[in-house]
Amino acid sequence: DAGVIQSPRHEVTEMGQEVTLRCKPISGHDYLFWYRQTMMRGLELLIYFNNNVPIDDSGMPEDRFSAKMPNASFSTLKIQPSEPRDSAVYFCASSSGLAGRSTYEQYFGPGTRLTVT
Amino acid sequence: GNSVTQMEGPVTLSEEAFLTINCTYTATGYPSLFWYVQYPGEGLQLLLKATKADDKGSNKGFEATYRKETTSFHLEKGSVQVSDSAVYFCALSQSPSGLQGAQKLVFGQGTRLTINP
Repeated sequence: DAGVIQSPRHEVTEMGQEVTLRCKPISGHDYLFWYRQTMMRGLELLIYFNNNVPIDDSGMPEDRFSAKMPNASFSTLKIQPSEPRDSAVYFCASSSGLAGRSTYEQYFGPGTRLTVT
Repeated sequence: GNSVTQMEGPVTLSEEAFLTINCTYTATGYPSLFWYVQYPGEGLQLLLKATKADDKGSNKGFEATYRKETTSFHLEKGSVQVSDSAVYFCALSQSPSGLQGAQKLVFGQGTRLTINP
């Protein structure tokens, strides 16, 4: 089975530009999570979805960040405008919350390394 | 709220040494506990898990026992290898109740492990 797929793997952009990160969760998983990882702040949960609906976006840093999940197999995280302090590795993860079958394990993608100059 | 506290890193050991990485948690109810590993340039991977008190999770020579009385889930390995060099994260699920919030994992800050030959 394919794991969580993220694209691009690396993104270098200039301050002020729009950045879109993409994620395809594992087929059949109904939860999708976006994380950000930096040396200073460690691993931070930004937002998560259940059945394509955002459940908790309290980790989203500010209005420049937005996330969507138009269908069960695709999600985007957008930063507009980007700033140098947004430089980080962004991970997408998915899990299954089906009643009686959930083990609460999250499966992570390989991440997108974002550099904003 | 729920939280996870891990042993401060970095940890540096020689090959074949005994490893312990401490993890303690604060949680309501009966969470599931996890250890994730992150190899350089990759996403987090589930290493092992335990879903109830006194359960022992094990994988690749690593072990951890769910100790409710001490609220701990320490990671151990009897003889480490250079290939074990990675960052290790302890995590807990919010609740086993099956509610949406249960799918959200709380991660510790991570412990960087370096094994020298």
